Amino acid sequence: EVQLVESGGGLVQPGRSLKLSCAASGFTFSGYYMAWVRQAPKKGLEWVASISYEGDTIYYGDSVKGRFTISRDNAKSTLYLQMNSLRSEDTATYYCARHYVYYGGSYFDYWGQGVMVTVSS
Amino acid sequence: DIQMTQSPASLSASLGETVSIDCLPSEGISNDLAWYQQKSGKSPQLLIYAASRLQDGVPSRFSGSRSGTRYSLQISGMQPEDEADYFCQQSYRYPPTFGGGTNLELK
Repeated sequence: EVQLVESGGGLVQPGRSLKLSCAASGFTFSGYYMAWVRQAPKKGLEWVASISYEGDTIYYGDSVKGRFTISRDNAKSTLYLQMNSLRSEDTATYYCARHYVYYGGSYFDYWGQGVMVTVSS
Repeated sequence: DIQMTQSPASLSASLGETVSIDCLPSEGISNDLAWYQQKSGKSPQLLIYAASRLQDGVPSRFSGSRSGTRYSLQISGMQPEDEADYFCQQSYRYPPTFGGGTNLELK
């Protein structure tokens, strides 16, 4: 059974940093792209970042580019999101998702339960 | 970025009614479209990928289709457990973008 378990969320002041983790199990972690998707309270879904199988190809959304860093440790089957210079608009539930990539497209086929990040003074 | 215009924003359906939700991308996406269901307080779940392919384990009353540039999710026979928010998502080009969502309620 595929499981994705996020951790590391919480309350943080504007301008500070936070690092999220996502522990994966039930599949061959290195065989899949992985992603972070967030959802502000009562809002829709926003893709944040994706990382390739070995971490050599990375994509970021414009709203987090230069502030957030996605990374992975295939030996530990763990995905990370380092978030720096946090802003109030980064307040959201952050989901770890398996990003299934096929020829021509992709989709998020498994999601974690989400972790809340609140940026406030 | 490719904009995804989803309609309607909210919908109320009776038990057994057939429901349709639409997504209109701002440019062609060549069937690179997925649909997700998100129940209250839960994480999203994949329903449909590549516009019309049913994800394993998803009930067959859910289906996806395309007519011209418009993509649709259909629920053939509304059930109480189908009350949820629904989102479309394109993957034709980065960044992946989502529609604004449709809130579906049981009448």
